[in-house]
Amino acid sequence: EIVLTQSPGTLSLSPGERATLSCRASQSVSSSDLAWYQQKPGQAPRLLMFGASSRAAGIPDRFSGSGSGTDFTLTISRLEPEDFAVYYCQQYGSSQFTFGPGTKVDIK
Amino acid sequence: EVQLVESGGGLVQPGGSLRLSCATSAFIFNNYNMGWVRQAPGKGLEWISYISSGSVALFYADSVKGRFTISRDNAKNSLYLQMNSLRAEDTAVYYCARWDPGSHCFDFWGQGTLVTVAS
Repeated sequence: EIVLTQSPGTLSLSPGERATLSCRASQSVSSSDLAWYQQKPGQAPRLLMFGASSRAAGIPDRFSGSGSGTDFTLTISRLEPEDFAVYYCQQYGSSQFTFGPGTKVDIK
Repeated sequence: EVQLVESGGGLVQPGGSLRLSCATSAFIFNNYNMGWVRQAPGKGLEWISYISSGSVALFYADSVKGRFTISRDNAKNSLYLQMNSLRAEDTAVYYCARWDPGSHCFDFWGQGTLVTVAS
């Protein structure tokens, strides 16, 4: 089973700052099977990125994803007030789906 | 607009059973694989089950294998999760989600239904 580790656990930043979130896999993951989700309090998760670097419909271009193999990154170029949330990476492989523990981006 | 609406959650005693439903609309349900993901209070997301469009492939997380059963009725555009032998650690919000085969991700999610296992 592939385990995903996200860092940091919490990222405290101010609006306008750049956020860099890491997702590391215990084994190599195909980029096509790596996704990122955003979740705000009391809401369902929302798909942000798929295929490691493709934005989902309606996602602004301040969000970008990169990486391959075991190391993936979600970057928010300039934080807007609505971006303060928890972010999860997720992978699919061998009939199993795994989520990372999440990174909370909160207001400094 | 794609919609997924879960129902069937509630309070159940340990060892009890519950059946969750997910009603879907605005997409061709029988073209999509589906899944269930849960979130314990204050915790992260945990995938628990997946079903292919024709119900041929059924996958489960180890934490629920042998106790939970996923199913679907394509004529009713609905997804189900039968949960037996419930434990306190099954307490969570349960989300149904659509799996997009092209992008390999859960692209649409319901709002969730809360299951509380307690005596």
